[in-house]
Amino acid sequence: GQNIDQPTEMTATEGAIVQINCTYQTSGFNGLFWYQQHAGEAPTFLSYNVLDGLEEKGRFSSFLSRSKGYSYLLLKELQMKDSASYLCAVVDSNYQLIWGAGTKLIIKP
Amino acid sequence: NAGVTQTPKFRVLKTGQSMTLLCAQDMNHEYMYWYRQDPGMGLRLIHYSVGEGTTAKGEVPDGYNVSRLKKQNFLLGLESAAPSQTSVYFCAIGGGEVTGEQFFGPGTRLTVL
Repeated sequence: GQNIDQPTEMTATEGAIVQINCTYQTSGFNGLFWYQQHAGEAPTFLSYNVLDGLEEKGRFSSFLSRSKGYSYLLLKELQMKDSASYLCAVVDSNYQLIWGAGTKLIIKP
Repeated sequence: NAGVTQTPKFRVLKTGQSMTLLCAQDMNHEYMYWYRQDPGMGLRLIHYSVGEGTTAKGEVPDGYNVSRLKKQNFLLGLESAAPSQTSVYFCAIGGGEVTGEQFFGPGTRLTVL
């Protein structure tokens, strides 16, 4: 079967750094997405990785290791507005997105 | 340029009633999707379309039907609603073999009593 695992909830302090991990087992791999979803809103695109390594975009970075079936999202200089759920999704061999259940990130002052 | 819109935003149904959710896009994407999102679970694909006049089943299609008569619209129908269909429904566009990002509509919150 196909499986995406991420922690259910994480807590971090404003101004700090947090790393959200995602491990996957899927039928094929054609890339990995990270999305942000604020409560009551739609998911919005954060990053896309298809090759191994680190992609940096401002305060957010995403890392991929295809051999390990592993990705992480790194958020730096945390702000209160970063409180949200972060969704990991893998593009499988049929070019469908397989979604993790999401990690709820709570930022404390 | 509204992107992706969904109507209605909220709806309460009684068991056995029917309804149609409308997704409309102005971004000219071929691919459109219907997902449901339930607490503690990832987004699950109900049905999708790779172009006007085409539809295909996703992971959880039972109890739902879809139609894509026009490129810009993707309709999701519930013929006989059940409490298990209480969920938040999201329409998305984009993605596919190009593996571009998917853009989501604002969602429809459906409660079936």
